[in-house]
Order: sequence, then C-alpha cells, then structure tokens
Amino acid sequence: DAGVIQSPRHEVTEMGQEVTLRCKPISGHDYLFWYRQTMMRGLELLIYFNNNVPIDDSGMPEDRFSAKMPNASFSTLKIQPSEPRDSAVYFCASSLAGARNSPLHFGNGTRLTVT
Amino acid sequence: AQRVTQPEKLLSVFKGAPVELKCNYSYSGSPELFWYVQYSRQRLQLLLRHISRESIKGFTADLNKGETSFHLKKPFAQEEDSAMYYCAPNTGGFKTIFGAGTRLFVKA
Repeated sequence: DAGVIQSPRHEVTEMGQEVTLRCKPISGHDYLFWYRQTMMRGLELLIYFNNNVPIDDSGMPEDRFSAKMPNASFSTLKIQPSEPRDSAVYFCASSLAGARNSPLHFGNGTRLTVT
Repeated sequence: AQRVTQPEKLLSVFKGAPVELKCNYSYSGSPELFWYVQYSRQRLQLLLRHISRESIKGFTADLNKGETSFHLKKPFAQEEDSAMYYCAPNTGGFKTIFGAGTRLFVKA
C-alpha cells in the first residue's frame, strides 16, 4: 500500500482565493482525520470522519473551512476565502477501527502558503 | 477539559546521554497512549503505543496513572534520534489529540 496520499505537496496562493486540499486514505481504513500544524499551535485536529460521515468538526476554525468525504477513498479540505493566517502544513491521516489502540497513518502533508 | 501537556518545546542532549521527553495528560476515563515522531522532511509516524509495552529504537514509555504521565525515555541518545516527538492520547471515539510536541536535538 502506498500509504495515505495527499495532494498537492505545496500550495501557494493569494489571499481571497479558494484552496482545495486532497487526501486518499489507506484502503480499508474507515477513519479519516484532518490536522493542521503550525509552529505556534502544534498539531490541531480539525475534523474527522468515520465511514465517510463527519463525526466531530469542532476543530474547524471558522466557516471558511469545509471538509467532505464523498466516498471511502477520497476527502477534501477546502478553504474559501483563504487568509494569510491559514498558512500551515495540513495533514491527513487514516486509521482502522476496531480498537482504540489503532494508530494513525499520516500523509506527507500539504504545505499551504497564503500571501 | 481534555488536555495533553509536553512542557519542553526543545530538548538538547549530547550523544550517549539519557533522554526523557515528558508528557502529562488530563482526561476522564482511560485513554490509549501513543508517541509519534516526525523526522526531518518525513511524515509523522507512530513510534510506540502503551498497550504494546514495546521498546522501539531503544525508546520506552511508562504510563503512570497516578501522575497521569506517559514520559518517553531512552538511556543513550543517538544523533539519528533528533526529531519532533508528539505525545498523543486517543480518547473514546478514536479521537487523537496531540501535545504541542518536543523537538529533540542530539549533539555529537
């Protein structure tokens, strides 16, 4: 398995533009997580899905952020409109249900820069 | 409130010295506990989990329920251990919260 795949690896955009980050989880994993990593705040959980259904989106910073999971093999995180303070590395992770000791498998992340 | 605390942002030790990365958590119930590591230019990956009672790359972590701590230890640090380390309790519902992380720098 290629692991969790995220695209793009880097994204540079101007303030006000729409940004879409993509994630393909590991096949068979039924949990998908979106995290944001910054120097100031570390790793923050934004939202997670179980069987394509959003379970907890309490970490989504504001209405400009939205996430979808239309099927078991694809998820998107969208920011519209983007702002400079959204600059961060965004990680997608997946895991297999069945036990609470199931670890997270991370993608390589998308480094977003909003100018 | 659920909280995980890694008090040291940066820990610098000499090669061969012991290292301890601290983690304290505040949760109701009994979370499953993990340590993740992020080496330079690599993805975050699992280092070890409490339930496995394992030693990975010479690291161990002991759960102290009385102190609600899950410190990561290694008796002799190596240069290749330099990385960012995250303590991560997994609460009910499979929700994993990460600490702020500790950057370990092992000097030659």
